Amino acid sequence: ETGVTQTPRHLVMGMTNKKSLKCEQHLGHNAMYWYKQSAKKPLELMFVYSLEERVENNSVPSRFSPECPNSSHLFLHLHTLQPEDSALYLCASSPGQGGTGELFFGEGSRLTVL
Amino acid sequence: ELKVEQNPLFLSMQEGKNYTIYCNYSTTSDRLYWYRQDPGKSLESLFVLLSNGAVKQEGRLMASLDTKARLSTLHITAAVHDLSATYFCAVGNNNNDMRFGAGTRLTVKP
Repeated sequence: ETGVTQTPRHLVMGMTNKKSLKCEQHLGHNAMYWYKQSAKKPLELMFVYSLEERVENNSVPSRFSPECPNSSHLFLHLHTLQPEDSALYLCASSPGQGGTGELFFGEGSRLTVL
Repeated sequence: ELKVEQNPLFLSMQEGKNYTIYCNYSTTSDRLYWYRQDPGKSLESLFVLLSNGAVKQEGRLMASLDTKARLSTLHITAAVHDLSATYFCAVGNNNNDMRFGAGTRLTVKP
């Protein structure tokens, strides 16, 4: 298996649920990202991890909690979400420092919050 | 704050025609990326432009970068239906800060 893999591909949850999105990259990259894509806004950077350490948090609400246990895996833990959080959540990876900065995206997890 | 503007946001063109998508950005950068997204799919990297005057071509698509004008263009030559997708430009100063444009939704009609 190659590239960036995200699971689940689709998720429906209530506002009181707790769920997690998972991302795995098989590219040997050192940096991983979470992006949010909604209908009315450009792609929004949420979190960046480089060598398993968070280097950027773009003022994301605390109901989104990232976890990066190693350089190949990235999670986004979700709790008490709002309907406006419904969106496509994209994971990406890049080689990291010294690379071109090019991002390699997963297929995305489409989240619907009821 | 880095801002990225694409135009047009919507583009409908006939097969066989040529057209250009523009990407303007607000602060100095020497890294410009173009991505393609098909409906319901993820983003696929098309071009990476890393210096002033860089030009890259792949099939019917050609991308260029003018860092002095803070402008990149994506030129479509003799469009075909398979090119229908949404095209995003993204601008970065380092690996941790890449801002995306709103995207150009391209529809190529027979």
